[in-house]
Amino acid sequence: EIVLTQSPGTLSLSPGERATLSCRASQSVSSSYVAWYQQKPGQAPRLLIYGASSRATGIPDRFSGTGFGTDFTLTISRLDPEDFAVYYCQQHGTSPPCSFGQGTKLEIK
Amino acid sequence: EVQLLESGGRLVQPGGSLRLSCAASGFMFSSYAMSWVRLAPGKGLEWVSDISGSGGSTYYADSVRGRFTISRDNSKSTLYLQMDSLRAEDTAVYYCAKVGSSAWIGHFDYWGQGTQVTVSS
Repeated sequence: EIVLTQSPGTLSLSPGERATLSCRASQSVSSSYVAWYQQKPGQAPRLLIYGASSRATGIPDRFSGTGFGTDFTLTISRLDPEDFAVYYCQQHGTSPPCSFGQGTKLEIK
Repeated sequence: EVQLLESGGRLVQPGGSLRLSCAASGFMFSSYAMSWVRLAPGKGLEWVSDISGSGGSTYYADSVRGRFTISRDNSKSTLYLQMDSLRAEDTAVYYCAKVGSSAWIGHFDYWGQGTQVTVSS
């Protein structure tokens, strides 16, 4: 089973700043099979990025994803107050199982 | 508009059983695999189970294999999760999620609002 490790656990930034979130896999993952989600308290997760770099429908272009192999990154270019939430990376293949990272909490500094 | 609406969560005693439902609308339900994902208190998202569009293939996380059963009724556009031999560590919000491609597993493009399952005496 592929284990995803996200860092940092908590990231404290101010609105307008740039956020860089990391997701490292225990073994190589095809970039086609990496996704990122945003989750706010009491809400369902929301898909942000799939295929490592493709933005989901309706996602602002300040969100971008990059990476290949074992290292993947979610970047938020200029933080909006609504961006403060928990972010998860996910890896999947073409058959189950899939796995999630433990999450990065992005909090207001 | 795609909608997923879970129901069935409640307080149940350890060793008890529960069946969760997820009513889907707004897409061709039988064409997509579906999953259950849970969020336990103070923890991160955990994938629980997946079922193919036809219902012919299922898969489970090690933590629930042998205790949970996923199924679907394509005529009713409804996904189910039968949960038996429940443990305290199964306490979580359970989400149903739609796989965002034609594959058996993938990214999840739509999620339900979640249903709370609490296992406690």
